[in-house]
Amino acid sequence: DTEVTQTPKHLVMGMTNKKSLKCEQHMGHRAMYWYKQKAKKPPELMFVYSYEKLSINESVPSRFSPECPNSSLLNLHLHALQPEDSALYLCASSQAVQGPMNTEAFFGQGTRLTVV
Amino acid sequence: DAKTTQPPSMDCAEGRAANLPCNHSTISGNEYVYWYRQIHSQGPQYIIHGLKNNETNEMASLIITEDRKSSTLILPHATLRDTAVYYCIVRAQTGNQFYFGTGTSLTVIP
Repeated sequence: DTEVTQTPKHLVMGMTNKKSLKCEQHMGHRAMYWYKQKAKKPPELMFVYSYEKLSINESVPSRFSPECPNSSLLNLHLHALQPEDSALYLCASSQAVQGPMNTEAFFGQGTRLTVV
Repeated sequence: DAKTTQPPSMDCAEGRAANLPCNHSTISGNEYVYWYRQIHSQGPQYIIHGLKNNETNEMASLIITEDRKSSTLILPHATLRDTAVYYCIVRAQTGNQFYFGTGTSLTVIP
């Protein structure tokens, strides 16, 4: 199983809503990632978790709150978003390695988020 | 933190080889070059990666120059399904990050 599963596939939320995006993998990977992708732009790294601990936060606004409750699951909690936060949110996972970076990351199909 | 430069777009005739260049002149000695592609807003798909030797798998070949400052992804017989945005990525030396550059939009023409 080399699949990263993201739910939901589509989400429409109001600016006062609270919602969560979910990502799951069963490959035994210990590094998990959130990316944000605007239309016709490359994915932008948001967060990296390594062994269930947040290792990188790319200066993401606090209205995005990541959580890694266990080694298979990654959540992104959303609160008080703005319309400009509408984007494709991608989750990825890879083996967390020390030393040479010789293993690929696997990406989910993303959640298409629209903030109204 | 993208450390790669790619042409924004390329065309390739169906059945011909597609050669996609990437410049990574600031690459460090133990940083790998990865290639991914993304088809129409699906999740990025891994293609191939390498350190300094040329690599080949069932999807593509990766040619890395001896000084490691550039590389070329080769799709030997392009099909219409290879139309996608191709990203060349230098994986960060520390941590687990994959930073995407701007990519090349490849269009395979019938």
